[in-house]
Amino acid sequence: SQQGEEDPQALSIQEGENATMNCSYKTSINNLQWYRQNSGRGLVHLILIRSNEREKHSGRLRVTLDTSKKSSSLLITASRAADTASYFCATDGSGNTGKLIFGQGTTLQVKP
Amino acid sequence: DTGVSQDPRHKITKRGQNVTFRCDPISEHNRLYWYRQTLGQGPEFLTYFQNEAQLEKSRLLSDRFSAERPKGSFSTLEIQRTEQGDSAMYLCASSFRGSSTDTQYFGPGTRLTVL
Repeated sequence: SQQGEEDPQALSIQEGENATMNCSYKTSINNLQWYRQNSGRGLVHLILIRSNEREKHSGRLRVTLDTSKKSSSLLITASRAADTASYFCATDGSGNTGKLIFGQGTTLQVKP
Repeated sequence: DTGVSQDPRHKITKRGQNVTFRCDPISEHNRLYWYRQTLGQGPEFLTYFQNEAQLEKSRLLSDRFSAERPKGSFSTLEIQRTEQGDSAMYLCASSFRGSSTDTQYFGPGTRLTVL
């Protein structure tokens, strides 16, 4: 079953605007990752944040993690039409298997 | 291109037929995962290997599903007596256990349609 819930399920913005997606999860984690998936394609790894980190940046991406609330957010700044995709958060649980548990994803549409 | 390849990219089969998918991970990666993704949902874990050992299987993986990773390199996922409910995207991912992040890199997926 899915561990996480993502909010919103769908987001439509204009190019140049910022996009914020939220993810909540249920169990303890070692780390949380965000992935992007273009329609019908595989997943592309965007960023990983460890459970002892609170914020991480990578280019136009900013991820925050609040382990007390079991939630994370992904901010994409200055969005581009090429950012149009589905975005998933994934947690690894607290074990050592490394298996990922994904949320249902947020579908982002960036209009040119 | 993440370096993980899957074959075939698309498979259409009739109900009751057997299908087999292949995944070639990044060469130095010792962990290999299989996930299934249905339309509008996030991927769901099926099984994973560390080297050639299959260490965990999801309860989603019924008796009709079998996976192998001979010699700890490529992996195959076989579905016997396919059902329409098996229609989905099957994703493979690999990672290196022992790295600081254990990031999983995904292949492009195999889309299965069961008629």
